[in-house]
Amino acid sequence: SQQGEEDPQALSIQEGENATMNCSYKTSINNLQWYRQNSGRGLVHLILIRSNEREKHSGRLRVTLDTSKKSSSLLITASRAADTASYFCATDGMNYGGSQGNLIFGKGTELSVKP
Amino acid sequence: EAQVTQNPRYLITVTGKKLTVTCSQNMNHEYMSWYRQDPGLGLRQIYYSMNVEVTDKGDVPEGYKVSRKEKRNFPLILESPSPNQTSLYFCASSFTLGTGGVEQYFGPGTRLTVT
Repeated sequence: SQQGEEDPQALSIQEGENATMNCSYKTSINNLQWYRQNSGRGLVHLILIRSNEREKHSGRLRVTLDTSKKSSSLLITASRAADTASYFCATDGMNYGGSQGNLIFGKGTELSVKP
Repeated sequence: EAQVTQNPRYLITVTGKKLTVTCSQNMNHEYMSWYRQDPGLGLRQIYYSMNVEVTDKGDVPEGYKVSRKEKRNFPLILESPSPNQTSLYFCASSFTLGTGGVEQYFGPGTRLTVT
């Protein structure tokens, strides 16, 4: 019962290029979050965007949300080798047949940034 | 330092031998959750707890138990582990999820192998 689906599954770019990852979801949401995971380690929260917001920035990160298309994108500008990680979107399960508290993650995008 | 700790970090066990993975947070968070991560499947929620003595099933609760007797601790119990429970497990905590959303803090993970 995956709610969020990231696209692409894997992305390989050169340092300095921009990386764009997309997340699509199926039902109405209250908010959407993006997380980063270095190999085999715990996830780290990057940014949260609420359903009434369309765009949000944090440093080199830019997140957009289009609730009419049920999609979000994460843009990392001027990528660095240290950005190499997996990136996940997560949505709350309020309206997805689950009770409050059912946070649902996508399968992730593996980003590789080559020096 | 604010953190979520899990123990053990690595565990190899045999089918049917009961085990407990502990999770503790020092941030006074009401909400705690367990996830498992498997290749190609992303993170799937096992159980979550909105507060002390309040627990609920996530997407994949079969074969697992949890308890929340204290606010800081949320152990994951496998009464009779089976090989299909071989996975990477993460505990997470946050202040209470609401419609506005709140970031999750993740533990470092527990890699479990059941033979």
